Amino acid sequence: GENVEQHPSTLSVQEGDSAVIKCTYSDSASNYFPWYKQELGKGPQLIIDIRSNVGEKKDQRIAVTLNKTAKHFSLHITETQPEDSAVYFCAASNGRRGFKTIFGAGTRLFVKA
Amino acid sequence: GAVVSQHPSWVICKSGTSVKIECRSLDFQATTMFWYRQFPKQSLMLMATSNEGSKATYEQGVEKDKFLINHASLTLSTLTVTSAHPEDSSFYICSARVYGGLYNEQFFGPGTRLTVL
Repeated sequence: GENVEQHPSTLSVQEGDSAVIKCTYSDSASNYFPWYKQELGKGPQLIIDIRSNVGEKKDQRIAVTLNKTAKHFSLHITETQPEDSAVYFCAASNGRRGFKTIFGAGTRLFVKA
Repeated sequence: GAVVSQHPSWVICKSGTSVKIECRSLDFQATTMFWYRQFPKQSLMLMATSNEGSKATYEQGVEKDKFLINHASLTLSTLTVTSAHPEDSSFYICSARVYGGLYNEQFFGPGTRLTVL
């Protein structure tokens, strides 16, 4: 079945450094790739998304890249801050699958002050 | 915009009782809502897809008679955990898909923590 692999499972960086989280997906028909940030005890919050007709998207310190050929997409956070510490999930979906979203396993990001 | 609420935020109940969780899209219409459960330090597991005015579609392994879903309007879906047992204790999260969207833009609720004693 469809799946999304996410790496690394844990990432620890120093404040101010960059953090990169990578995902691969199996369903070539996927056309929408959101990234969610989840803080402890809360629901996931959409932080950025990218659609299959775009290769890169940036929003302030956050950027996402998509390589459709390789079925890879990545989240880049620059100038990390302690408040960026959370669990990040990548996901992939498409309309043909009834808009069902497949999530990665999550990356626990620690930003050390 | 795109705010989803859940109620209650947490609930503790005795084994054998039923618990209802509400999911509301506050400022947009949602033809489709999704229900997830999440165990500690794990990813979100889709339980069912709820479409307004029709029966929910359950994922394999999810008992439809145990997890009753009703999506009576474009802004409200409910999940009822019937005859709850301790193993049903989990974090339940709903999400709502924007009506008419070409892509699967979903917005999540804050989650409901269920503890069954």
